[in-house]
Parts: sequence; C-alpha cells; structure tokens
Amino acid sequence: DQQVKQNSPSLSVQEGRISILNCDYTNSMFDYFLWYKKYPAEGPTFLISISSIKDKNEDGRFTVFLNKSAKHLSLHIVPSQPGDSAVYFCAASVYGSGNTGKLIFGQGTTLQVKP
Amino acid sequence: EPEVTQTPSHQVTQMGQEVILRCVPISNHLYFYWYRQILGQKVEFLVSFYNNEISEKSEIFDDQFSVERPDGSNFTLKIRSTKLEDSAMYFCASGHYGYTFGSGTRLTVV
Repeated sequence: DQQVKQNSPSLSVQEGRISILNCDYTNSMFDYFLWYKKYPAEGPTFLISISSIKDKNEDGRFTVFLNKSAKHLSLHIVPSQPGDSAVYFCAASVYGSGNTGKLIFGQGTTLQVKP
Repeated sequence: EPEVTQTPSHQVTQMGQEVILRCVPISNHLYFYWYRQILGQKVEFLVSFYNNEISEKSEIFDDQFSVERPDGSNFTLKIRSTKLEDSAMYFCASGHYGYTFGSGTRLTVV
C-alpha cells in the first residue's frame, strides 16, 4: 500500500535554517492531510493539518503547503531547532460525513537538526 | 493537556497466547482507533470504533483481533492467538482528525 509516500528517509539541517519535508500521495480521494511528529518510545503527536480546499496552513514555525495537481505536500519548519529532531510522518484521510477517520501514513522522515 | 493512556508499555507473550492491550481514551472523545507499527515500517491502521461498534477495519484486522469498550472508559484490543508477526508497537488513538495517540504498547511475541 503506497498511497502515501515520503521518499526521503532522513534529512539533516543546521539549527536556525529551514527544514522541508516532502510527501506525495496517489489517491485523489484524499482531501485532508496531516503531519505528525514522533519521538522514540512515544506515540505520534499531531502537528498541523490542511484541507484540500486550502493550499497553505501555518501554525507558528510550521507551515504545510499542498499542491493538489501534483498530489504533493510539504512541511516547512522555520527556524529549525534541535528539539525538532524526530521522525515526521505525513498522513492522509478522506474527510466528510460517513468517513471513519482512518489515516494512511507515509513511511516517515527522520529529521536531525544540528546545533 | 488530555492524554490517551496505554497499558502495559511492554508485553512479552508466548506464541499462541491471548493478549489484551488496554487504552483509556480522552474522556469526551467519541472516535477510537488502533494502529500498529512493526519495527522499521509504517504506522498502519487496524480499526476504528464509533458509537460502540467497529466503523472500519483493515485487512490486518482478521478474526484473531477484536476490540471492546467494556465500561465506557477503557478501549481494549484483544489478539486471540498471537503469532510472531504480531510483534509490533500498538498505538491507541482517540478524537477525529488530528487525533491524539497514546505512547503505545510494545508487544513482543516469542
């Protein structure tokens, strides 16, 4: 099941610089997208989401961009901090009544922010 | 901040044994989920639960798996006869969109 793909297993950036994490999806029915962060031995923590009616959503240092025609989304973290070092998962869902809230996750990208 | 609580944090069981993984979702949430992550792999959806019944389940969630909300606060996942390949982190979650995950139970089947 490769409906959601994160092609970069890892990313390393310098503290203070921008981190850009990418995600592609294949199912055109997806219309709600989320990013989760995960530390070792913890569950995923919700970061930010975006509906397909938007192309950008911002929350503090985190911005998610959605390009529906390319079926691509990205998470920008500016400025990156060492505490942002974690695994980042992209997830997708089908919004609307009757849906069950099921999320399809990508494989994750391990972000390392170097001091 | 409200939390989803999972117990135990680590469970080791013999192949063929039954295990019950327990979760206490956030109290005013109505939707509940189980996911699992096999080491090095994706987080995979197992089942969603709403209004005291399963609303969707994945192909992984076969007859060996069951879920229950026995007392209005706990939400359990039962695996009737564990296999080696059931070894994974199991995450409970509650909410709807941007929902909250628990810290997981590491299940090791030996």
